[in-house]
This record gives sequence, C-alpha cells and structure tokens, in this order.
Amino acid sequence: AQSVTQLGSHVSVSEGALVLLRCNYSSSVPPYLFWYVQYPNQGLQLLLKYTTGATLVKGINGFEAEFKKSETSFHLTKPSAHMSDAAEYFCAVSEGSGYSTLTFGKGTMLLVSP
Amino acid sequence: DAGVIQSPRHEVTEMGQEVTLRCKPISGHNSLFWYRQTMMRGLELLIYFNNNVPIDDSGMPEDRFSAKMPNASFSTLKIQPSEPRDSAVYFCASSGGDRGYEQYFGPGTRLTVT
Repeated sequence: AQSVTQLGSHVSVSEGALVLLRCNYSSSVPPYLFWYVQYPNQGLQLLLKYTTGATLVKGINGFEAEFKKSETSFHLTKPSAHMSDAAEYFCAVSEGSGYSTLTFGKGTMLLVSP
Repeated sequence: DAGVIQSPRHEVTEMGQEVTLRCKPISGHNSLFWYRQTMMRGLELLIYFNNNVPIDDSGMPEDRFSAKMPNASFSTLKIQPSEPRDSAVYFCASSGGDRGYEQYFGPGTRLTVT
C-alpha cells in the first residue's frame, strides 16, 4: 500500500524567502511522485512530477523537487516566495505507469506575508 | 482543450433529496476518477473508471452513492438520499494517452446539504 506524509499543515514564509514543503512517501514499488497546487475555490493543478530519470525535477512557477530514494522524500522548494504562491499544496504518489491511482497527502497550506 | 468540465459548480440541497453531479473528461482520456475533499478527511478517491468500466469503487462511502459512465465523454455521481455529512467538494479527474499517470482535475462541485 502507498502512503504520503506531508509535514506541517501550514507553512508561513515572507515574500522573497525560501519555500520548503516536505513530503515523505511509502511505496512497495518504484513510485511516481507528484506535487499539485490548489488555489482557493479551484481544482488541483499539476505543479511537477517525477517518473524516472533525473531526480531533480522542475515545474511551473519556479518550483522544483528532488526525489531522494534513500530518504523516501520528495520535498518541494522555491528559492524566493511570491505572494501569488499562497495556496494549498498536495504531494501524491502512484505505483507507476498506466492508470494507477493517486494517493494524496493531507496538504500543506502555504501562507506568504509581505 | 477545455479541460475537465464539472456541473453544477455549486449545489445546495435539503437532506433526503437526490443529488447528481456531472463530469465531462478531457477528450481522448480513458480513465476517470471521482474524489471528495473535506477538511476532516482531505482528498479521498471514491471510484475510478477505465474505458468506461468501474475498476475500484472501494472508496464509495455507502450504498447511497453510485457512479456511472455511460460513454467516454460523460460520468455522473449520484447521492440518494443526501445527508448533511455528504457536504464536501467533489472533484472529477481524467487521465489517458502516453501520460496515463497524470491526472487532470476539474474545478469541482461544492455540495451543501442542509
């Protein structure tokens, strides 16, 4: 069975500061990993994904994440936060290709202050 | 592409009434997922279809919930009778093609049962 743990239901940063959102997963097979972002009253939007190959993946809006197998982690980072980054972020894992289902973490709300 | 389309966007109904939520997946996608999002339980997968066939409905809360996918471009989630604890945001997502592992979410239906 798969599972995802996101540390911290809320993370607060100042505009221009580093953003770090933590995600740890468990999976019995090599995982596919995803970060989704949800803005208020909207659906989830794919931010970035890791499937195979390079372990550092870049996504939209300047976000990136690094897959670390030894730590079973897939933390999301952005060097400099912008006010528009305020949203809820979800980490998810699937068992790989095809129509595998996604298992989501509980989400982390990112708050950005001026 | 129009993306995943859901209707209605908001639904307010009284306890005991029947509620039908609708979803049109992205054209060409062959997998469709229904999720429920609440503050308490986060994002939960209710059911998913592949090629219009229900694959796993183990997440459906109880017999009051039913889902159908009569063709590749339309799916419904029905709650009969509805209860206040069904109040949540219901999302539909679809995936398919070479990136069958990527799910694209609709904007959601916010259901309030009074």
